[in-house]
Amino acid sequence: DAGVTQSPTHLIKTRGQQVTLRCSPISGHKSVSWYQQVLGQGPQFIFQYYEKEERGRGNFPDRFSARQFPNYSSELNVNALLLGDSALYLCASSRRTQDTEAFFGQGTRLTVV
Amino acid sequence: SQKIEQNSEALNIQEGKTATLTCNYTNYSPAYLQWYRQDPGRGPVFLLLIRENEKEKRKERLKVTFDTTLKQSLFHITASQPADSATYLCALDYSSNTGKLIFGQGTTLQVKP
Repeated sequence: DAGVTQSPTHLIKTRGQQVTLRCSPISGHKSVSWYQQVLGQGPQFIFQYYEKEERGRGNFPDRFSARQFPNYSSELNVNALLLGDSALYLCASSRRTQDTEAFFGQGTRLTVV
Repeated sequence: SQKIEQNSEALNIQEGKTATLTCNYTNYSPAYLQWYRQDPGRGPVFLLLIRENEKEKRKERLKVTFDTTLKQSLFHITASQPADSATYLCALDYSSNTGKLIFGQGTTLQVKP
């Protein structure tokens, strides 16, 4: 079975631009969460989606948005990029929303210049 | 809000010894706590989940304890090997049973042959 897949793996953007990151969960997993990981820190929660509905949002500005599609894949959008948005963006899928292990993708390395 | 603290200093041990990593949290006690392994440039990989009514859990050479009085979890790797060298992350639910994980900053373990 394929694991969680994210695309692209690396991305370089200019300040002020917009970016879309994509995630395909493990087959059968209905919950997708997004995390931002800055170098030397643990992942920080951004969004959780379950059955196409937003179930939770972390402490991130409105420039960050996401959605989940009928096939449970997900996109994370970031508008008006700042240098501080440079990070590894991780997608995790799970069978349910809580009390269960999360399976992470390899991440998308975003660099804002 | 809930906070997690892991030892930010790297842990260096000799092959064959037992590595012990610490995770301390504040505020309420979570219903469960998880440990993940992360290699450089990769997404975290789930290792163990321990629930509040479980004092200890084992998986092969791994052992996790959960002390809700001390608000602490200990993660042990027995008979450590150089292949165990990685960053280990502690994670728990952001608020009661929402499935939104918050992570510690991770502890880097280096096992020397």
